[in-house]
Formats: sequence, structure tokens, C-alpha cells
Amino acid sequence: AQSVAQPEDQVNVAEGNPLTVKCTYSVSGNPYLFWYVQYPNRGLQFLLKYITGDNLVKGSYGFEAEFNKSQTSFHLKKPSALVSDSALYFCAVRVFSGNTPLVFGKGTRLSVIA
Amino acid sequence: SQTIHQWPATLVQPVGSPLSLECTVEGTSNPNLYWYRQAAGRGLQLLFYSVGIGQISSEVPQNLSASRPQDRQFILSSKKLLLSDSGFYLCAWGPSFTRLSSTDTQYFGPGTRLTVL
Repeated sequence: AQSVAQPEDQVNVAEGNPLTVKCTYSVSGNPYLFWYVQYPNRGLQFLLKYITGDNLVKGSYGFEAEFNKSQTSFHLKKPSALVSDSALYFCAVRVFSGNTPLVFGKGTRLSVIA
Repeated sequence: SQTIHQWPATLVQPVGSPLSLECTVEGTSNPNLYWYRQAAGRGLQLLFYSVGIGQISSEVPQNLSASRPQDRQFILSSKKLLLSDSGFYLCAWGPSFTRLSSTDTQYFGPGTRLTVL
């Protein structure tokens, strides 16, 4: 079975500081990993995904994520946080089988303080 | 480009009343379609997904049902709502399943906020 863990319910960071939102995964094959962001009362917006190749993936709004196979992690990062980055962030995974929906983590709430 | 619509945006219903939420996708054909529920602004629970007209997979047995009467239409229903059905309902679509579709992204609609009183 495949699963995703987001160990932090809440992450607080000061505006202008770097931010990291953690994600670890557990799968039996090669993982395909995704990050989404959700603003209040909105649907999820796709940020980025890792399929293969370079372990550092760049996405929307200045976010990037680093795939680490040995640590089974896919942490979301941004060099300088903005107040507008405050939102709920979801990590998701799918293995190479094709016929399964994404499996989502429980989400991490990011608060960027001015 | 593809777009996904959900309506209504918000809904307040009494316990025991029926429910019908609608989701439609434009700009693509034969999409995979998904219904999720999000309680208390946190994790997503996959309720149903569909790979084609009339084909519904149920992930969690409960008071809800889903139907796909047309290729790009996905409906979530209930005959009698419970208090526990309150939540934020999200519809999503993704490209149809193929051998390589594990890399495909799911795209979400704006959601419906359901409150059962």
C-alpha cells in the first residue's frame, strides 16, 4: 500500500525567512510525488510534481521540492516566505500502476507572519 | 484549456433531506473523475472515482452515492443527509488512465460547502 505522511500539522515562519513543509512517503515501487496548496474555501491548486530526473523540482509561486530517495522524503521549500503563502499544503503520491487516484497526506497549515 | 465547475458553491440542508451536487468538466474527453470530502479544513477523504460513463468505484461505504450520466458530468447524491455529511466537497478530474498516466496530475474544482443542520 502507498501512503504519505506530513508530520507537522502547523508550520509558522516569519516573512522573508525560508520555509520548509515536510513530506515522507511509503510505497512499494517508484513514487510519483505531488504538492498542492489550498487557500480558504477554495479547491486545491497544483504546485509541482516529481516524476524522474533532477531531484530538485521547481513549481509555481517560487516553490520547489527536493526528492530524497534514501530518506523517502519530498519536502516543499521556498527561499523567502510571503504572507500570501499562508495556506494549507498537501503532499500526494502515486506509484507506477496507472489505475489509482492520488493518495494525499493530511495537510500542513503554513502561517507566514509579517 | 480545461476547466472544472461545481455547484452549488454553498448549501445548507436539514437532516434527512436529499442531496445532489454536480460537477462538470470542459475542454477534455473521457476524463477520470473524483469526489473527495474534506472535514474541518484538513485531510481529504476519497469518496468515489470514475473511469467512464456508468463506472463508479466507491472507496468508503457510507450514506452517499455517485453517478456519471455523461462523459464529463459527475454527480454526488444522498437520499437522506446525516449531520456527519457536513463538509467541503471537492470534485477533481485527471486524464484517462493509461500505462503512463501515473505521472498525471489531478485538477480540482472550487468545491461545495455543505452544512447539514
